[in-house]
Amino acid sequence: IAGITQAPTSQILAAGRRMTLRCTQDMRHNAMYWYRQDLGLGLRLIHYSNTAGTTGKGEVPDGYSVSRANTDDFPLTLASAVPSQTSVYFCASSVGSSGANVLTFGAGSRLTVL
Amino acid sequence: AQSVTQPDIHITVSEGASLELRCNYSYGATPYLFWYVQSPGQGLQLLLKYFSGDTLVQGIKGFEAEFKRSQSSFNLRKPSVHWSDAAEYFCAVGAGPTGKLIFGQGTTLQVKP
Repeated sequence: IAGITQAPTSQILAAGRRMTLRCTQDMRHNAMYWYRQDLGLGLRLIHYSNTAGTTGKGEVPDGYSVSRANTDDFPLTLASAVPSQTSVYFCASSVGSSGANVLTFGAGSRLTVL
Repeated sequence: AQSVTQPDIHITVSEGASLELRCNYSYGATPYLFWYVQSPGQGLQLLLKYFSGDTLVQGIKGFEAEFKRSQSSFNLRKPSVHWSDAAEYFCAVGAGPTGKLIFGQGTTLQVKP
């Protein structure tokens, strides 16, 4: 089934540890995104990539890094996790990179930082 | 700056009743507007979108939304709610050339039997 796969589904992490959330899509979409979802705040964009080899910062990029070595994969890394990074993380993709593009979302990764 | 406001954090309606979820946006140009739905433990699914043309747009699951430029609104409606419509609903505006969406805070819909 075509779509976005995120891993892990859920993770508990000690503060200060490094963590990589994985995201893979099989739709050959050019653009990919990472959002975090927090109660009362909706979804906020962390980082995005309009095409393989390029990345950009979103609304809340601090403490996160991404890479886009190929079309399919867009991992999100927390170099040194802090409790404020406890959240549900969603990876998304779209065919193109304009405001008119429809995003396809993964099922999310729930991260708890203690 | 672009922003989206969903004034209602939580709404409860009876099954079979009509529904309207409010969305107001702030955007300098003609907006691309979206409604997404999130069922518990799931990712977001597109309900409908407005890009241009007819201001009343139809979506999946019997939902519709009306774009009102004068009110900067894009309210979501459904004439008769089903118990399976219980979910969280997000309004979003497509912002600029990066393709990123700006989301509202979300409205949680509860459906009473």
